[in-house]
Amino acid sequence: SAVISQKPSRDICQRGTSLTIQCQVDSQVTMMFWYRQQPGQSLTLIATANQGSEATYESGFVIDKFPISRPNLTFSTLTVSNMSPEDSSIYLCSVVTGVEQFFGPGTRLTVL
Amino acid sequence: AQSVAQPEDQVNVAEGNPLTVKCTYSVSGNPYLFWYVQYPNRGLQFLLKYITGDNLVKGSYGFEAEFNKSQTSFHLKKPSALVSDSALYFCAVRGADFNKFYFGSGTKLNVKP
Repeated sequence: SAVISQKPSRDICQRGTSLTIQCQVDSQVTMMFWYRQQPGQSLTLIATANQGSEATYESGFVIDKFPISRPNLTFSTLTVSNMSPEDSSIYLCSVVTGVEQFFGPGTRLTVL
Repeated sequence: AQSVAQPEDQVNVAEGNPLTVKCTYSVSGNPYLFWYVQYPNRGLQFLLKYITGDNLVKGSYGFEAEFNKSQTSFHLKKPSALVSDSALYFCAVRGADFNKFYFGSGTKLNVKP
């Protein structure tokens, strides 16, 4: 299993600003994933973050808007840049160990 | 292509009654199937998984799920629902590349006293 923590747990931001979300895992993992979830809705994969290489983004998500860092095997950050109210969502960090996927508690972002 | 369908947005059941939350899937190769639960303002919690073996798998909090290959289904069940089971439930399948999980749209379970 894996225990994942995220910071901040929630934030309220002004449009046009940027927010960096941190994800820390209690064990070394090869791949980390970032998801977005509208409240009460399903999860949408933003990107896959590998240590030592650029993140792989899903269709509809670009690096300029969601830059990701992965400096080591236990840590990753996701930045939501130039935010607009449409970015208001829950952002979830996730890892896969073995055959299972584990999730962080999420970061609830509100953009005014 | 991999996909998961949860045909019911919401399931209502009375406490003490059995519950079923439906899930069907489409995947290349052998499916790795999962159920997750999300309580309000919480992250997703793993409930159970099917990898291989017995078609009936048992998980946390008294939940179980039945894998049916011919119907490509993996329905979540519980013999006797609790009010505390009220939450959002997601079915997921692990893709053929083993690195991506595909999630259903979620089913909100309401258990009424």
